[in-house]
Amino acid sequence: SAVISQKPSRDICQRGTSLTIQCQVDSQVTMMFWYRQQPGQSLTLIATANQGSEATYESGFVIDKFPISRPNLTFSTLTVSNMSPEDSSIYLCSVGQGQYEQYFGPGTRLTVT
Amino acid sequence: AQSVTQLDSQVPVFEEAPVELRCNYSSSVSVYLFWYVQYPNQGLQLLLKYLSGSTLVKGINGFEAEFNKSQTSFHLRKPSVHISDTAEYFCAVSDRGTDKLIFGTGTRLQVFP
Repeated sequence: SAVISQKPSRDICQRGTSLTIQCQVDSQVTMMFWYRQQPGQSLTLIATANQGSEATYESGFVIDKFPISRPNLTFSTLTVSNMSPEDSSIYLCSVGQGQYEQYFGPGTRLTVT
Repeated sequence: AQSVTQLDSQVPVFEEAPVELRCNYSSSVSVYLFWYVQYPNQGLQLLLKYLSGSTLVKGINGFEAEFNKSQTSFHLRKPSVHISDTAEYFCAVSDRGTDKLIFGTGTRLQVFP
C-alpha cells in the first residue's frame, strides 16, 4: 500500500487565519480524498481531489472555505480558511488504491483558539 | 442515502476473551465493506475488506468479519484479544461503482488485563 505523509502533524491557530495542510504520497495515485474527523466523532468526507480536474465537494463543504489543490499525482493540499473554533478537528487525506480501498495518512490535528 | 450503523460506541473486554464489533449498513444495492482501525493519535489502517466471493473475510492481526446480505451486517470478530488491540474501530461502506466511503460512528474497543 502507498505510504502517505501529512504536514503539519498538528497546529494551533487563531480564529480568522488560514492553514494549508499538505499530503504527500510515495507513488502516483489518481484519486485522493480529504476527510474531517471532529473530536470523538467519525470521518466525514470533505472532497475528492483528482489530478487535472476541480475537486468535488460533499454537501456542507464549499470551495471558499476548503480550497484544494492537486498539482500532480503524488501531492495535494487542503486549506482551511477563515478558521473558527468549530474547525478544530483532525484532517486526514487518503488515496484510492486497488478496488475501492483507501489508505490514510496520519492526520493533521488542528486546534483553533 | 447510504448509512452505516455501529451500535456499540464502546466495548470493554478482558484480554484473551473473544470480541464481536457490530456493523449494519443500509444500502439495498451491492456494496463493498471495510473495517478500519485507528490507534491513538494515528491515522486509519485497513483491517479487512469484503468485495465479493466468500462471506467470511480474514484480515490482519487475527481479525475476521462475516458478510450477511440478508441481515445487511458485517460484524468484526476476534477469538482472543490482546491489550494492543485497544483502539477505535470503524466500519465503512461504498456503493459499487463509486469511490466514496461512508463511515460508521466507530466503536472503541478497550482491552483490560
